Amino acid sequence: ILNVEQSPQSLHVQEGDSTNFTCSFPSSNFYALHWYRWETAKSPEALFVMTLNGDEKKKGRISATLNTKEGYSYLYIKGSQPEDSATYLCALPHFGNEKLTFGTGTRLTIIP
Amino acid sequence: EAGVAQSPRYKIIEKRQSVAFWCNPISGHATLYWYQQILGQGPKLLIQFQNNGVVDDSQLPKDRFSAERLKGVDSTLKIQPAKLEDSAVYLCASSLEPTGGWETQYFGPGTRLLVL
Repeated sequence: ILNVEQSPQSLHVQEGDSTNFTCSFPSSNFYALHWYRWETAKSPEALFVMTLNGDEKKKGRISATLNTKEGYSYLYIKGSQPEDSATYLCALPHFGNEKLTFGTGTRLTIIP
Repeated sequence: EAGVAQSPRYKIIEKRQSVAFWCNPISGHATLYWYQQILGQGPKLLIQFQNNGVVDDSQLPKDRFSAERLKGVDSTLKIQPAKLEDSAVYLCASSLEPTGGWETQYFGPGTRLLVL
């Protein structure tokens, strides 16, 4: 069983502030890590696929880093906007196949 | 490019009734997944198809859940009979080709099921 943990469970952030949250996973047999954003009543949207230790990826105001040796990834949002309100999920495939195990997500609410 | 389509978006049924969900993946995507997301938990894979063959159904409660993917395109997921604990969002996803975990999975909007 692959144990994927996300923290915090929920977060309220003032508009304009920056924030970050964590995805933790077993460092052994790491293969890849996926970040998704899921807005209410919409489809989960892929943000990043990360594979290499030290990877850093960026999409607009959102960026992510990966540390496979210690088993964590951070997702950062700079200058939060109301449209950033969503649940952010991380997921890891089981080694060698496409079966994803998801964390429980971080529910982010931006306060105008 | 059209995304993954799912219907219905919402369904309310009574326990012991049957229900079916439909998914149309992105054109050309060989792999199709059904996930169950119970409130407060992350999505859990129920079944994975590669074209019209089952790759993984280890977490599908086969006494009440069934799924098929005819002609390797559309898929249906059925629950018969439904239990209260089946209340969840059922997500369908598809991906282009299996790459062992790097491939992005594209999700539909889900079907929100409430069993009373």
